[in-house]
Amino acid sequence: SQQGEEDPQALSIQEGENATMNCSYKTSINNLQWYRQNSGRGLVHLILIRSNEREKHSGRLRVTLDTSKKSSSLLITASRAADTASYFCATDTGANNLFFGTGTRLTVIP
Amino acid sequence: DADVTQTPRNRITKTGKRIMLECSQTKGHDRMYWYRQDPGLGLRLIYYSFDVKDINKGEISDGYSVSRQAQAKFSLSLESAIPNQTALYFCATSDFTRNYGYTFGSGTRLTVV
Repeated sequence: SQQGEEDPQALSIQEGENATMNCSYKTSINNLQWYRQNSGRGLVHLILIRSNEREKHSGRLRVTLDTSKKSSSLLITASRAADTASYFCATDTGANNLFFGTGTRLTVIP
Repeated sequence: DADVTQTPRNRITKTGKRIMLECSQTKGHDRMYWYRQDPGLGLRLIYYSFDVKDINKGEISDGYSVSRQAQAKFSLSLESAIPNQTALYFCATSDFTRNYGYTFGSGTRLTVV
């Protein structure tokens, strides 16, 4: 499977702390994307990083990509209770599909 | 109105029944997708369409069919529902570049009893 895998599966932190989630994948990619899903709701696109980029920022989000290790990380700084959600990485290999990981469940405790 | 609207939001149906899930979008995107989400398995692609005349199978198309009635509408049918099709179903759209991510609907929670 080309599916990505997130690590950890679940993460619980205090409000104000940083949260780091990792994603590993198996094949060459055009880009890697991160999505957020609130419980039972649709996924929301957060950020896209291209294969020739190493780091990207968007607000409190920082994404890194290491194509040599086939891995990416998502850092959420100064977490808030509203950040509680599941986070998925998805890889675009240039085929006609995005391959989604199984997600990291983040809980931010107020 | 949401960019991608799915109906119904929730549905309980009996084994063997035919059911249709509908999706409409106002993004003006050509590409539309149907995904299924099961706990612990992430999202898996059922079907995708790049325009009205272009329909393609995804990873798990068996037991499903689709219809692209217009650029903005893409429906998913279960011809004879079975319990292991109980899942959360998502419709998504993207532009042809796919450089801006996918836009997802809010999902349909389908239970087959």
